[in-house]
Amino acid sequence: EPEVTQTPSHQVTQMGQEVILRCVPISNHLYFYWYRQILGQKVEFLVSFYNNEISEKSEIFDDQFSVERPDGSNFTLKIRSTKLEDSAMYFCASSEGLSPTEAFFGQGTRLTVV
Amino acid sequence: DAKTTQPTSMDCAEGRAANLPCNHSTISGNEYVYWYRQIHSQGPQYIIHGLKNNETNEMASLIITEDRKSSTLILPHATLRDTAVYYCIVRGYNTDKLIFGTGTRLQVFP
Repeated sequence: EPEVTQTPSHQVTQMGQEVILRCVPISNHLYFYWYRQILGQKVEFLVSFYNNEISEKSEIFDDQFSVERPDGSNFTLKIRSTKLEDSAMYFCASSEGLSPTEAFFGQGTRLTVV
Repeated sequence: DAKTTQPTSMDCAEGRAANLPCNHSTISGNEYVYWYRQIHSQGPQYIIHGLKNNETNEMASLIITEDRKSSTLILPHATLRDTAVYYCIVRGYNTDKLIFGTGTRLQVFP
C-alpha cells in the first residue's frame, strides 16, 4: 500500500541552526501538507502546497519556515533558524485532491532543538 | 469549519464494539465528517469519512444522524491495537487542511 515517508525520523539540532525535513508524498497525489504537534498538544496545520505554490498557511508558518518541492518526488520543510519552541513532531501529508478526498500522513520527524 | 465536541476519554473491553460519539451541531450542508486516529505519537491515520449517509469500510462504520448534528464512529470488535486518540473533524467541501481538536482517548483493555 502506498504511503507517505518522512526522513529523518529524529533530528537533533542546535538553536539557530537551519534544518530541512524531508517527505516523499504518495506518487499520484497533488496536494501536500505539513503539520506539527508539540508534545502533549494538538496536531496543528502549518501549510498546504499545490501546483508548486503555497495555497494556505497558518499564523505559525512565519518567515522562518519555507516549503519546496525540489523535484518530482520530494517535499521539504525548511526552518531557517531554529528556536527551542520549534521542538515538535512534524508530519507531512498528501492527498489526491481537496475534500472529500482523504489525506494520508507520514510517521513524522521528531525535531529536538537544544 | 464547524467545531466538534468529543468526550475526553473512553474505555472499551477487547472484542466489544467501541462507539465513539461526536457532536457537530453547527455543521453546514457541504461539510463532511472525517475520523482519524493517532496511535501513540505516530502520524494520524485516516479511518473513514461521510456526508450524510452511513458509511462502512474495513476499519469502521460511521453513523451520522439524520439532522447531521452528531455522529458515531463504531469499531465493531475492538482490539488492544485500537488504543489511540480518535479525532472527529468537520471539513468543508473543496478545502484542504484538517483542523484537529483534542479528540477522544480510547483505551481498549483485555
